[in-house]
Amino acid sequence: NAGVMQNPRHLVRRRGQEARLRCSPMKGHSHVYWYRQLPEEGLKFMVYLQKENIIDESGMPKERFSAEFPKEGPSILRIQQVVRGDSAAYFCASSQRLAGQSYNEQFFGPGTRLTVL
Amino acid sequence: QKEVEQNSGPLSVPEGAIASLNCTYSDRGSQSFFWYRQYSGKSPELIMFIYSNGDKEDGRFTAQLNKASQYVSLLIRDSQPSDSATYLCAAPQGDTGGFKTIFGAGTRLFVKA
Repeated sequence: NAGVMQNPRHLVRRRGQEARLRCSPMKGHSHVYWYRQLPEEGLKFMVYLQKENIIDESGMPKERFSAEFPKEGPSILRIQQVVRGDSAAYFCASSQRLAGQSYNEQFFGPGTRLTVL
Repeated sequence: QKEVEQNSGPLSVPEGAIASLNCTYSDRGSQSFFWYRQYSGKSPELIMFIYSNGDKEDGRFTAQLNKASQYVSLLIRDSQPSDSATYLCAAPQGDTGGFKTIFGAGTRLFVKA
């Protein structure tokens, strides 16, 4: 059973360009989360999505950032007009909710390291 | 703002000793708690979760939860150099049905050979 997959693993962009990060959840998982991690810092929640729905985007900057999880295909985190401050590791995690389960175990992908020149 | 607090460390212990990692949380609605290990440059990997008061043991790891004190800890017995990593405490927010998870900043652990 393949784990969470992310691509690309490394992405270099110049200021003003667009960055597209992709995440394929584990098989059977319908919940996807995006986190950002700056060097030497913890994980910061950005957005939580289910298929075709954004459930919670309270951690995502209001401008330039958007996320989607279409019915078919991977979840995509899109950053428009990137700036140097966007340089970070972006992790995707996925989970499933089983009937009667009160906890939410998340499995992480390998991350995408974004560098903005 | 709901928070999860951890001592950033670094925590340094000799090989074979017990490493004790601590975490406090502010959301009384959180029902379950997770410990992740993250090696430098790698993604977090789940090592334990706990949702009942008391202790939960898994091999060399023991998680402890005290909901009254809003405190959760992770003990690593017989620490090995390979345990050197950053340990992240995570708490799903109760008012989101447990799906929005807040992570602590992590505690860096060094196990000296």
